[in-house]
Amino acid sequence: AQTVTQSQPEMSVQEAETVTLSCTYDTSESDYYLFWYKQPPSRQMILVIRQEAYKQQNATENRFSVNFQKAAKSFSLKISDSQLGDAAMYFCAYRRRDRDDKIIFGKGTRLHILP
Amino acid sequence: DGGITQSPKYLFRKEGQNVTLSCEQNLNHDAMYWYRQDPGQGLRLIYYSQIVNDFQKGDIAEGYSVSREKKESFPLTVTSAQKNPTAFYLCASSIGGYPYNEQFFGPGTRLTVL
Repeated sequence: AQTVTQSQPEMSVQEAETVTLSCTYDTSESDYYLFWYKQPPSRQMILVIRQEAYKQQNATENRFSVNFQKAAKSFSLKISDSQLGDAAMYFCAYRRRDRDDKIIFGKGTRLHILP
Repeated sequence: DGGITQSPKYLFRKEGQNVTLSCEQNLNHDAMYWYRQDPGQGLRLIYYSQIVNDFQKGDIAEGYSVSREKKESFPLTVTSAQKNPTAFYLCASSIGGYPYNEQFFGPGTRLTVL
């Protein structure tokens, strides 16, 4: 069975600094997607970034980028120039490429932004 | 505006009562999903439906039931058989099919059973 592990329950970063959130996963599949979702205090889930496992290039979306290490099954999220609005729960998630049903979520990392 | 609506935002029920959570989408999506979120936990899949009149159990379907009579609607009933129903419930939808279709989430319903 696939699993997603986020080992950092909480993190803090100074405004304008850079922070990296860690995620590891376990799967026997070779083709899959990895995601980072943001859940702000409103509790609305927002997709931050997506990585396709067959692509070696790390995904980037503005201030958000990932470090995807397929062999190590590691998928970290880097947030550059942290802003107060980045304060939220961040969930790492996995989905098999050939299945449109189950997304497996980690337990989340709560990110605090210090002014 | 296209999107997913869930109502109500907060719901209180007495123990032993069934309760139905509403989820409606106007995105013309074929697939819809129900997730449960507990404190300190990620989201866990309860049920999903890829087409009208068809649905499948997720990882934690016991004590829940769903219906999918219309493309736009996917209500979730929390029955008295659910041992610990107090949680935050999220509905999502996607276009469906392969290979990749983003799941869009509703704002959620916080259910508290007293």
